[in-house]
Amino acid sequence: SQTIHQWPATLVQPVGSPLSLECTVEGTSNPNLYWYRQAAGRGLQLLFYSVGIGQISSEVPQNLSASRPQDRQFILSSKKLLLSDSGFYLCAWSGGRGQDYGYTFGSGTRLTVV
Amino acid sequence: GNSVTQMEGPVTLSEEAFLTINCTYTATGYPSLFWYVQYPGEGLQLLLKATKADDKGSNKGFEATYRKETTSFHLEKGSVQVSDSAVYFCALGNTDKLIFGTGTRLQVFP
Repeated sequence: SQTIHQWPATLVQPVGSPLSLECTVEGTSNPNLYWYRQAAGRGLQLLFYSVGIGQISSEVPQNLSASRPQDRQFILSSKKLLLSDSGFYLCAWSGGRGQDYGYTFGSGTRLTVV
Repeated sequence: GNSVTQMEGPVTLSEEAFLTINCTYTATGYPSLFWYVQYPGEGLQLLLKATKADDKGSNKGFEATYRKETTSFHLEKGSVQVSDSAVYFCALGNTDKLIFGTGTRLQVFP
């Protein structure tokens, strides 16, 4: 069966520090991968998605970047965190037609920038 | 463009009350529609889905019917439990992405 792992679960980082959040999927190949952010009291904002290794689409210009160095690995990064980067970050994957079958989400990383 | 509009929360109910959470959408083509649930501190879980008009998705006592004529996908449950307290997200799938509503918090009290 397919599983998705995200880590760390919680993270407290000072303003200006770098960030690296990792997401991996097991039990499938060539998944579509997604990073969402959920700010406090707000909905889900799609940040990046990837349909293959090295293929990244950015939905919102911001202080973050994403990379997909391996088929089932998706990394969210920042060189210098801002206070506004605080939030709950969710990774998700889907098969070829996620718009029909839905996504499977990881358990999320709660990031607090102080 | 594609968008999803959900009713504002929180929705506060007593145990065994009837639940309706409204969701309407705007989309080009024929999207699939979803309801996701997020329990405190957790990621999102798929609750139910419908892929074409008049389909009814159901799971764990929750139901939603894909209404193309009213562009709606309202979530209902006949008798809520305290354990149903969570945030519920309506979403539509079009092209290669899911677009989510802002979420509706449900609080059920004993």
